[in-house]
This record gives sequence, C-alpha cells and structure tokens, in this order.
Amino acid sequence: QKEVEQDPGPLSVPEGAIVSLNCTYSNSAFQYFMWYRQYSRKGPELLMYTYSSGNKEDGRFTAQVDKSSKYISLFIRDSQPSDSATYLCAMSPYNNNDMRFGAGTRLTVKP
Amino acid sequence: NAGVTQTPKFQVLKTGQSMTLQCAQDMNHEYMSWYRQDPGMGLRLIHYSVGAGITDQGEVPNGYNVSRSTTEDFPLRLLSAAPSQTSVYFCASSREGLGEQYFGPGTRLTVT
Repeated sequence: QKEVEQDPGPLSVPEGAIVSLNCTYSNSAFQYFMWYRQYSRKGPELLMYTYSSGNKEDGRFTAQVDKSSKYISLFIRDSQPSDSATYLCAMSPYNNNDMRFGAGTRLTVKP
Repeated sequence: NAGVTQTPKFQVLKTGQSMTLQCAQDMNHEYMSWYRQDPGMGLRLIHYSVGAGITDQGEVPNGYNVSRSTTEDFPLRLLSAAPSQTSVYFCASSREGLGEQYFGPGTRLTVT
C-alpha cells in the first residue's frame, strides 16, 4: 500500500462547476500538507500549503485537512478551463525533511 | 529572477553511461531537492540538501549521487545509467523545509 493514495482520474467537469480533489494517507507523522498544480510538460507549482488540521482558503481554492481520518481535500469553486491540469497532493512529516506525493489527478474543465 | 533552472531539457543515454543533471536557483534558498516523476507514481524524492555542504537521501537514492558546494547549485549525477532511470527529473528549492517548494521545468531522460 502506498503512503499517499490519490485517484488518478481523469476528472472532467463543465466550466463553473465545483471540483473536489482528495487524497488519503497512512503515515500519522505527516504534519504539512500541500497541493501542487502541474500543467502538461511543466514543473509543479504550489497552490496551497497547510499545517496540521483545518481549512485554508485562497481565492477560488480551499484546502481541508482531517488528520483524524487521514484525509485531505482541495476544492475549486467556479472552475475555469485554465484550471485544466494535474493536481498533486503532497505531505511532509514534522521535521519537513521528507516529502511524499500522490500520483496526481488529471482535471479537465470544459468550456 | 530566473527561479529554478535545469539543464539539459532532454537527454538520451545508453546503458552504462554517466551524466550530470544541472540545477541552479537564484532565490538564495537553503533547501534544494531532486525528484523523479514516473507515470502512476507521482514524484519521488531522490536526494535533498538543507544547505551548502549538507545532503541526505530521499525515498529512491540508489544509482544517484549529489553534492552541494554552493547555495545556488545542486547537481545530480547518474553514475551508470540504467533503463529503469528513464524518467522526468525535477529540481526544487525552498526557503525552509521541503514544504513550499519552487520547481524547475524538468529534464526528460531516456536510457536505452
């Protein structure tokens, strides 16, 4: 079993839809949780960075962490065609000197 | 600022050859790291550095060497390339820890 599980999709939604992306993990040492966006043939770029449990909002993006369930989510409101990309969850333990990524979910937002 | 730069963009090697992937950053970040990305596997950490002169192994270090003589540069060496090392390699840097990382554009490596 992988330490971080992420449904690879693909996920296709109409423009304006609310998108929910999820990851589960097995290592309770993870304390830092990230979401990266990766466009085709580009490097990942950081979208959201959270510590421990709770919610964090940034514009149309909301990240949620539920450590008791070992489950993290990224919500995208009012999705746009420019949001079409692969979304990677990532997590790091308390010392922030290791990193585990999910396999990524490919999202397509259709106009 | 150029951010994180990687060279070359593409490389084809024969089994047994050696090469160095270059990575440089101009943000004065202490942390630098190397990942490989394979289909269905996500990114996997190969090696990382918490500052000049200090390196450590990640999840998949075998077959790779690193050194960090300056804050700006963090080259990755493949000692004897194998087909299993065919992948896309990303370098990243961050100010503190491996959390908020800035990634380079990647190097696509094929080993035949």
